[in-house]
Amino acid sequence: SQTIHQWPATLVQPVGSPLSLECTVEGTSNPNLYWYRQAAGRGLQLLFYSVGIGQISSEVPQNLSASRPQDRQFILSSKKLLLSDSGFYLCAWSAQNEQYFGPGTRLTVT
Amino acid sequence: AQTVTQSQPEMSVQEAETVTLSCTYDTSENNYYLFWYKQPPSRQMILVIRQEAYKQQNATENRFSVNFQKAAKSFSLKISDSQLGDTAMYFCAFMISLPYSGAGSYQLTFGKGTKLSVIP
Repeated sequence: SQTIHQWPATLVQPVGSPLSLECTVEGTSNPNLYWYRQAAGRGLQLLFYSVGIGQISSEVPQNLSASRPQDRQFILSSKKLLLSDSGFYLCAWSAQNEQYFGPGTRLTVT
Repeated sequence: AQTVTQSQPEMSVQEAETVTLSCTYDTSENNYYLFWYKQPPSRQMILVIRQEAYKQQNATENRFSVNFQKAAKSFSLKISDSQLGDTAMYFCAFMISLPYSGAGSYQLTFGKGTKLSVIP
C-alpha cells in the first residue's frame, strides 16, 4: 500500500531563516505530488504541484519554492522566511481521481 | 475560477443523532469531482466520501452520505448515528484536472470548513 511521509512534524523558525520541508511517497512510482498550505481558520490553498522529476508548477507566487529531485520526493523551500509563512503545510499525491494527504508540518515563524 | 462555500462555521450534534453539513460551489466546468474531507485534532486530512459530477446517484459510505444537487451546485454531507470520533473539521472540496499538466494531475479547491462537535 502507498504511504506518504512528511518531516519535520513541527518547526519553529525565526524570520529571515531558510526553510526545507520534505515529503516522500512509498509504494507507487511517478506520482503526481502537491504542496498545500492551511492558514489558521481557513481551508487548504494549493501552492505547487509536480507531475515528474524536475517539473514544478506554481499556483500562487510567493516567498516559497519547490523542487522534486527524485521520483518520490518533493521539497518545499524558502531562502528567507516571513511571518506570513506560518501555517500547516500538507503534501499530497493523487491517483484515480483522488488525493491523499500526508500528516503535515506545523511551521511557526517567530 | 472555482469557489467552495461552507456557510456553517460550527455545528454540534448529540451522539447517535444525525447532522447535515452544507456546501455550495461555483464553477463553469462540466466534469469535476466533489469530496468531503475530515480533519480531526491530529490535523491529518482524511477522505470521507467522493462524488463524480456525471453520476446522478448520491454517494454513500457507511454512516456518511451526500445530497448532490448539480443544478443547484449543492453538495451536503449527512452523518447518521453520530459518534464521538466524528468530532473534527469537515472540508468540502471541488476537484478538476489541472491544465497543461500530465494525466492524473488535479486541483482541489477547499471551503473554509465546518467545525463539528459530537456531544456525549
